[in-house]
Parts: sequence; C-alpha cells; structure tokens
Amino acid sequence: ELKVEQNPLFLSMQEGKNYTIYCNYSTTSDRLYWYRQDPGKSLESLFVLLSNGAVKQEGRLMASLDTKARLSTLHITAAVHDLSATYFCAVSNFGNEKLTFGTGTRLTIIP
Amino acid sequence: DVKVTQSSRYLVKRTGEKVFLECVQDMDHENMFWYRQDPGLGLRLIYFSYDVKMKEKGDIPEGYSVSREKKERFSLILESASTNQTSMYLCATIVGLAGRFRETQYFGPGTRLLVL
Repeated sequence: ELKVEQNPLFLSMQEGKNYTIYCNYSTTSDRLYWYRQDPGKSLESLFVLLSNGAVKQEGRLMASLDTKARLSTLHITAAVHDLSATYFCAVSNFGNEKLTFGTGTRLTIIP
Repeated sequence: DVKVTQSSRYLVKRTGEKVFLECVQDMDHENMFWYRQDPGLGLRLIYFSYDVKMKEKGDIPEGYSVSREKKERFSLILESASTNQTSMYLCATIVGLAGRFRETQYFGPGTRLLVL
C-alpha cells in the first residue's frame, strides 16, 4: 500500500526566509504532484514531476524529485505573505490514475 | 481552461437522508474522481471512473456509491448519510491515457457537507 508522508505539518516562517517541505513515499511511482490550497478553496496544481532528478521552478517555489530516495522537496525562497497556504504532495500509483495524498503542510508567512 | 463544477458549495443534511453530490466537467476528460478532505488526513479517494458506466473503488468507498451515465457528469451518492460523513468533498478530473504524463488532476471548488 502506497503511503505518503509530509513534514512538517505546520510551518510558520518569516518573510524573506528560505525553507523546505519534504514529501516521502513508500513505493515506486511514476509521477509526483504538488498542489496548493488556500483556506476555503479548492486545490490548485503547482508542479508535476515525472522522472528522477526532475526540478521545476515557478517564482519562489522550486520542486525536485529523487525517485531512488522516494523523496520530493518543495523549496520556498525568500518567502512572501501570499505564499501562505496549505501545500500537498500526491503520488500516483503505477499504471493507473489513482493519487495518494500527503496530509498537507500548512504554511504561514509572518511579516 | 478546464472547468470543474460541483452542484453545491454548502449542504446540510440529516442522518439517514440520501444525498447526491454532482460534478460536471467541460473538458471531455475520461477520468473523474471523488475525494473527501478531513483535517489531518489529507485527501482520501472514495471512488473513481475511467469512462461512462465504469467505476472503481478508492480507498474509502464504504457508505458511498457513484454514478456516471454521461462522460461529463460524475455523481457521488451517500445512501444513508451519517454524521461521520461530515466533510469537504472534492471532485477532480484528468485527461485520458494519451495525455496523462503531462497532465495533472483538476479539482472542483468542493462541497462542504454537514450531516446533523
């Protein structure tokens, strides 16, 4: 059974600082996703990572994937307030479209 | 842009009622999904469908059923609502096999269901 663990669950950081959210998964997968969710809203896709060593960047967010370690990271550079949200990673099961989600990381950026 | 709509944003029902949640997508996607989201548990897959009249159980199907009579519409049914089904329900959709490796799941706005 595929399990996905995210840490930390809660993260409070000051504006301008850097931090990393970690996503570990238990079995081989062919895709890893990062999503953002604002309070009371639905999920918005950030990144799809397909292969070992994949790195994607959008603004102050950068995601990477190490399939051998079964680890993905979401790195936040010089955080700003509007990055405050809950971030989820999700991992696909090989051969089908099922996703298993992590429990989410609630990120709060303090001015 | 992909558009995924859900029939209600908020719903209040009584224990034992039959509840229908509807999801409609306008992108001709083959695959559709129902999740529930609870604090501390992330999103958990209830049911999904690869095509019209096809359905597969997800991780927590007990107490739920689904219907997919048309490609664009995927309904979640709570046969007899219980208080432990109070949750946020999210529908999602993704293209079929041909585009799957470049695509992500697109989510609807969610339905917050309260069962009293």
